[in-house]
Amino acid sequence: GAGVSQSPRYKVAKRGQDVALRCDPISGHVSLFWYQQALGQGPEFLTYFQNEAQLDKSGLPSDRFFAERPEGSVSTLKIQRTQQEDSAVYLCASSFLGSGRAGTGELFFGEGSRLTVL
Amino acid sequence: AQSVTQLGSHVSVSEGALVLLRCNYSSSVPPYLFWYVQYPNQGLQLLLKYTSAATLVKGINGFEAEFKKSETSFHLTKPSAHMSDAAEYFCAVSEVGGTASKLTFGTGTRLQVTL
Repeated sequence: GAGVSQSPRYKVAKRGQDVALRCDPISGHVSLFWYQQALGQGPEFLTYFQNEAQLDKSGLPSDRFFAERPEGSVSTLKIQRTQQEDSAVYLCASSFLGSGRAGTGELFFGEGSRLTVL
Repeated sequence: AQSVTQLGSHVSVSEGALVLLRCNYSSSVPPYLFWYVQYPNQGLQLLLKYTSAATLVKGINGFEAEFKKSETSFHLTKPSAHMSDAAEYFCAVSEVGGTASKLTFGTGTRLQVTL
């Protein structure tokens, strides 16, 4: 498809399980972002890739969260030993432009992966 | 550090009435400002953005916003609401020269449009 694709759309995990969320950005987009959106809140930045390089991971809430984009295209967000507070919608977004003054390009968001931890 | 404050988590207007969604920002450097809309079970979609050009920015679906530095505001308006405008609206800010597409979002305003 032409847009950002995320899978799974819905994931229910038992506390302590590991989960992996996948993001297929728009082909050719340099930048890829992960955001976490808790219920009733705005999206909060988790991490940023420019091609395969993870340039900013300052928003990852703990070392249980790990993201990768090994070939500069598809990205995976992994959460180890899930906790109830991890329940949220995880949004992936991509942009054609890289960082810096030129990086004011529009972010294209996927529909998100809704994680519920029981 | 940068932040945005959206006043009013819920706004209800009648169809055909003026829409005004408020956003105030805080940034230590000149900001870029954005409004995104989120329809149920969909991803966020860019409505409009301010990137230091014209202070009055026009976006899609008849929305516009005005950057007012003196008031640190970037309120979103539409002269006449339509039922299809019912959605969640997010204001966001990023810093010039930083990871300029790294956005800090407000908590959102849910717009309800009634007959």
